[in-house]
Amino acid sequence: DSGVTQTPKHLITATGQRVTLRCSPRSGDLSVYWYQQSLDQGLQFLIHYYNGEERAKGNILERFSAQQFPDLHSELNLSSLELGDSALYFCASSVAPSGGYYNEQFFGPGTRLTVL
Amino acid sequence: AQKVTQAQTEISVVEKEDVTLDCVYETRDTTYYLFWYKQPPSGELVFLIRRNSFDEQNEISGRYSWNFQKSTSSFNFTITASQVVDSAVYFCALTPFSGNTPLVFGKGTRLSVIA
Repeated sequence: DSGVTQTPKHLITATGQRVTLRCSPRSGDLSVYWYQQSLDQGLQFLIHYYNGEERAKGNILERFSAQQFPDLHSELNLSSLELGDSALYFCASSVAPSGGYYNEQFFGPGTRLTVL
Repeated sequence: AQKVTQAQTEISVVEKEDVTLDCVYETRDTTYYLFWYKQPPSGELVFLIRRNSFDEQNEISGRYSWNFQKSTSSFNFTITASQVVDSAVYFCALTPFSGNTPLVFGKGTRLSVIA
């Protein structure tokens, strides 16, 4: 158990709908990352938040947005869903930056989204 | 830009065979980290190893071993005497040597170990 929790575990919805995925980082971790694993794109980075602020964006669609709340949990909002958005969405957390040393990313169990 | 290539999409071996999973990376950073993760059928990502670019020593952990060669930008993973429980998708990943940066993953190699 990595200490990172994600809810829900599974989500089935229809095209055009909007969903929210939730991530609670490990206690004390200020950074949250979102990754998407799809059949055609593989595992790719979406967005990174640190202590409530957006730090980096990857291949995140404009229909997708995220935020990190004062209690450090994060939500990934996916709207106008398309069939191609079906994927496994992972959240990872790590501690604060420490002057050049790598901070381990701990992955949650993922949320499997199916768009019908 | 950074890139990780896992040319082997799928590999199938018979139990007890040795198998090597290839990973080739591209980066302009002089210092970086390399990783291997395992994704079993249950779907979670299991961390296997992290190696920084300063350390080219090979590493062995039980039946697992890793061969890092900076000269060829490769970080290959060998499983000795494979077992059915090794069946999974294996990902190689890369990130710059700085505090909080996202991981760049390869497409993964699906390993099937047949009894």
